[in-house]
Amino acid sequence: AQSVTQPDIHITVSEGASLELRCNYSYGATPYLFWYVQSPGQGLQLLLKYFSGDTLVQGIKGFEAEFKRSQSSFNLRKPSVHWSDAAEYFCAVGRRSGNTGKLIFGQGTTLQVKP
Amino acid sequence: DSGVTQTPKHLITATGQRVTLRCSPRSGDLSVYWYQQSLDQGLQFLIHYYNGEERAKGNILERFSAQQFPDLHSELNLSSLELGDSALYFCASSGRGPGRLGLNSGANVLTFGAGSRLTVL
Repeated sequence: AQSVTQPDIHITVSEGASLELRCNYSYGATPYLFWYVQSPGQGLQLLLKYFSGDTLVQGIKGFEAEFKRSQSSFNLRKPSVHWSDAAEYFCAVGRRSGNTGKLIFGQGTTLQVKP
Repeated sequence: DSGVTQTPKHLITATGQRVTLRCSPRSGDLSVYWYQQSLDQGLQFLIHYYNGEERAKGNILERFSAQQFPDLHSELNLSSLELGDSALYFCASSGRGPGRLGLNSGANVLTFGAGSRLTVL
């Protein structure tokens, strides 16, 4: 079955510390991969995406993610976290053909930032 | 502002009632998607419309229906509401509209609205 797993439900980091959010997927073939962020009371904002090419992708707000085919992973990283990064982060996968907008989301990771 | 507009932002209603959620996609986007976000199920795909035609259905209940109009806005109709229907309902759009560049461009990339929070009492 197709699924996305975000092993960490809740993560707390200090401001200025580095961050890594984990994402593993189970899919028939290499899907399109996305990270979205949801701030309280807000919709989902796209941080970055991986379609093909360089497996290290850069996104907005200083985030990056690395696709590792052998591990079926797409972990999100940021070298130095800011208090405004506190939010919920979702990893998602989608098909490369057909109904490409039918995304499968992970359960999300809530990030808390300590001052 | 993502460019995807959803109304109402909040809605409180009683069991057994019917509500309609509205979505206006980004200018030029032909595809509209509906997702449901609940505490127990997480984010789940409901339905996809492209230029007025239904393209795919996900975990959408028979009590729910949707349509996309000629002006490309979409409505999600929820009827015979139950307590378990309380959730955040997101609309998203995608497309290759003119001048669409950057991270949010492409038919494969969804841009989400702020959501409609439905509370069923």
